[in-house]
Amino acid sequence: DAGITQSPRHKVTETGTPVTLRCHQTENHRYMYWYRQDPGHGLRLIHYSYGVKDTDKGEVSDGYSVSRSKTEDFLLTLESATSSQTSVYFCAILRGQGYNEQFFGPGTRLTVL
Amino acid sequence: DQQVKQNSPSLSVQEGRISILNCDYTNSMFDYFLWYKKYPAEGPTFLISISSIKDKNEDGRFTVFLNKSAKHLSLHIVPSQPGDSAVYFCAARREGVYGNKLVFGAGTILRVKS
Repeated sequence: DAGITQSPRHKVTETGTPVTLRCHQTENHRYMYWYRQDPGHGLRLIHYSYGVKDTDKGEVSDGYSVSRSKTEDFLLTLESATSSQTSVYFCAILRGQGYNEQFFGPGTRLTVL
Repeated sequence: DQQVKQNSPSLSVQEGRISILNCDYTNSMFDYFLWYKKYPAEGPTFLISISSIKDKNEDGRFTVFLNKSAKHLSLHIVPSQPGDSAVYFCAARREGVYGNKLVFGAGTILRVKS
């Protein structure tokens, strides 16, 4: 257990509404990541953070923003949700020997109608 | 452009036999490779990894082989067990200015039949 929780675990929303997903970690790790998982695509990096208030884009960042105001929380916001953002979202932290491995939270299933 | 490819969407193996999952990559800048296992409704869990300076890493029933010249890695599971049935993702790490990023393959569904 990497001490990562995600909330909510499930959410259904309507097109055009804003949505915020939360990732919380209890182990004071510096690096945190947001991915989305879709059939045929594996996991794709949306944004990541390398410290408080330090973030950078991943390969599928359009339509998403992030914030990290404290070490333990990394928020992912969909400013105006679209049906193409229906997906399962995973948060991850970096740890392990040499900080080589990422460990994942349980995921949030988001449906945009 | 998919930099990490898992060309077999699924694999079915008899319990007790060997499972071999394959992964190909295109970017020679990748310096570390990982395998993750994922059960339905759960997050991916780290399984085993290998540095680009090695060609083999073993952990119990799991062994990862890396062929850098062919840009190919494989995961061997011996003996396969029904509990190994899951989706397996290959991932490759690339160092960036602000930390490392992982690039994942699309995954292979492994079914181990008892």
